[in-house]
Amino acid sequence: DGGITQSPKYLFRKEGQNVTLSCEQNLNHDAMYWYRQDPGQGLRLIYYSQIVNDFQKGDIAEGYSVSREKKESFPLTVTSAQKNPTAFYLCASSKPGIAKNIQYFGAGTRLSVL
Amino acid sequence: GESVGLHLPTLSVQEGDNSIINCAYSNSASDYFIWYKQESGKGPQFIIDIRSNMDKRQGQRVTVLLNKTVKHLSLQIAATQPGDSAVYFCAENNGTSYGKLTFGQGTILTVHP
Repeated sequence: DGGITQSPKYLFRKEGQNVTLSCEQNLNHDAMYWYRQDPGQGLRLIYYSQIVNDFQKGDIAEGYSVSREKKESFPLTVTSAQKNPTAFYLCASSKPGIAKNIQYFGAGTRLSVL
Repeated sequence: GESVGLHLPTLSVQEGDNSIINCAYSNSASDYFIWYKQESGKGPQFIIDIRSNMDKRQGQRVTVLLNKTVKHLSLQIAATQPGDSAVYFCAENNGTSYGKLTFGQGTILTVHP
């Protein structure tokens, strides 16, 4: 099946620890995105990548880092600098061209702080 | 900055009724809009989209209406079913090439049997 796979589904972070959320897609999409969702709120863009080896900060990039070494993968690291990391994290991807703006989402990773 | 907002945070309907979810946007440069459905604990699911050169677009049991004059769009769901219960988000693209979307707060739709 084609789709976007996020892992793990649940993740716990200790204070001062960096954690990495995985996002893999087999849709052959060029663009990938990371969003943060807090309870009762919409999605806020953390980072996005339009092409391999390139990525840009979104609206709330502080305390996060990403890499895009492969087209299929766009991991997100939540660093110790992110003081309020508890949230639902969503990865998305889209293809360029006429359908470039439809973003398809993974099932999400719920991050909590111990 | 400009953002997308929703008029109603919650909407309760009876099964079989039609539902209308509204969304206001303020960015006049926005040229593309998407409605997503998000069930509890899951990622958003694409429902329907519309470009700014259209006023109306229909899908299966859903219709999106766009009124550019008042910067308003709506999602109409016909014969609402319990499985339609979810949070519905509208999202706008302000014309950027890479497809950045700005999401609204969301409307909780509850369908009663």
